[in-house]
Amino acid sequence: GNSVTQMEGPVTLSEEAFLTINCTYTATGYPSLFWYVQYPGEGLQLLLKATKADDKGSNKGFEATYRKETTSFHLEKGSVQVSDSAVYFCALSDRGATNKLIFGTGTLLAVQP
Amino acid sequence: NAGVTQTPKFRVLKTGQSMTLLCAQDMNHEYMYWYRQDPGMGLRLIHYSVGEGTTAKGEVPDGYNVSRLKKQNFLLGLESAAPSQTSVYFCASSPAGENTEAFFGQGTRLTVV
Repeated sequence: GNSVTQMEGPVTLSEEAFLTINCTYTATGYPSLFWYVQYPGEGLQLLLKATKADDKGSNKGFEATYRKETTSFHLEKGSVQVSDSAVYFCALSDRGATNKLIFGTGTLLAVQP
Repeated sequence: NAGVTQTPKFRVLKTGQSMTLLCAQDMNHEYMYWYRQDPGMGLRLIHYSVGEGTTAKGEVPDGYNVSRLKKQNFLLGLESAAPSQTSVYFCASSPAGENTEAFFGQGTRLTVV
């Protein structure tokens, strides 16, 4: 079945450091890929998405590229801020008639001033 | 615009008690979902609905029932709560169509003692 694997956290960085959170997936067909972010005490919100191979999703300085050859969708940001501290979830949708999401386990990011 | 609203936000149940979690969305979305979030496991789909009057099982449906009598509401029921159902529950909704964004509620923290 479809699945998503994320790097274990927590990830602790200093402000302005470079961020990478690894995400790989297993899927039949051609899934759509997403990064969701969960700030403390809140629900999840979409950060970015990519719907086909080689697409790059970007938002708020975060980027991720859909790599079909390596089945990966790694999240990157060049310079993190304290306000980026949150839990980040990689997810895929199987393009079926339901838009069901399959999530990775989440990665906690803590950015220190 | 309220988006997705979950009630209650917190609840403590005794083993064997029943309860219903309510999810309401005001975005006229066709699809609605219930997920549970557990440490180290990400979010897992419990049940979902692709339209008024329809429901389907997700990845972890045992011990839960759902109903979608009105398009804007999606109810999750626990008939006989068990400690294994201690979790944070998230409702989400999305428009019909591929690759559409899912909007999440703020969650319900349920503890079964």
